[in-house]
Amino acid sequence: SYELTQPPSVSVLPGQTVSITCSGDNLGEKSASWYQQKLGQSPVLVIYEDNKRPSGIPARFSGSRSGNTATLTLSGAQAIDEADFYCQTWDRGTYVFGPGTKVTVL
Amino acid sequence: QITLRESGPALVKPTQTLTLTCTFSGFSLTRSGLGVSWIRQPPGKALEWVGIIFWDDDQRYNPALKTRVTMTKDTTTNQVVLTMINMDPVDSATYYCTHSYGGFGDLSPFDVWGQGTVVTVSS
Repeated sequence: SYELTQPPSVSVLPGQTVSITCSGDNLGEKSASWYQQKLGQSPVLVIYEDNKRPSGIPARFSGSRSGNTATLTLSGAQAIDEADFYCQTWDRGTYVFGPGTKVTVL
Repeated sequence: QITLRESGPALVKPTQTLTLTCTFSGFSLTRSGLGVSWIRQPPGKALEWVGIIFWDDDQRYNPALKTRVTMTKDTTTNQVVLTMINMDPVDSATYYCTHSYGGFGDLSPFDVWGQGTVVTVSS
């Protein structure tokens, strides 16, 4: 089955920039989405089609892709951004989520 | 404004059948391209896609769960029902229903999520 790889955790100082990677076989041929899940809450879509932001998502969230790696970048991190982040794509008839990355704002 | 709300039993016994209902508003599941998915998350673990039902009644399921899962829709009451047979403790999770557009594929993100419902499988 298809798998996505993410770092388990990253940390960032307030106001600084942090990036989360998501890699998978042939991910360069697919689109990736990113979801933010704060503690005890439902996931929220923050990036879709690699680099598009839904209405209402702050501009400090951005997405990119290079080769088989998708990246979510949080610029100017705030305490309210602390959460788990999941990447997601689609492969041969199945939606797949990554294992998640815990972002800690120190 | 699109909203979804999950409902169903909080506790089921092993081998029993789970039935969850997703009641939604703000869209019609008769509109081309739209779908409602079920996604689950065991405590402290990652998200797992369970299945999706589309506006045209097409259903697609996670291959790992395909033999145990059925989804149906009622467009008059704006509800989608998930049925999962032969429940096991490993199926204990928060179950979310979600809205998606764009058909089946990587251009169809889960753009609105319900609040989730916690299901525990235990005797």
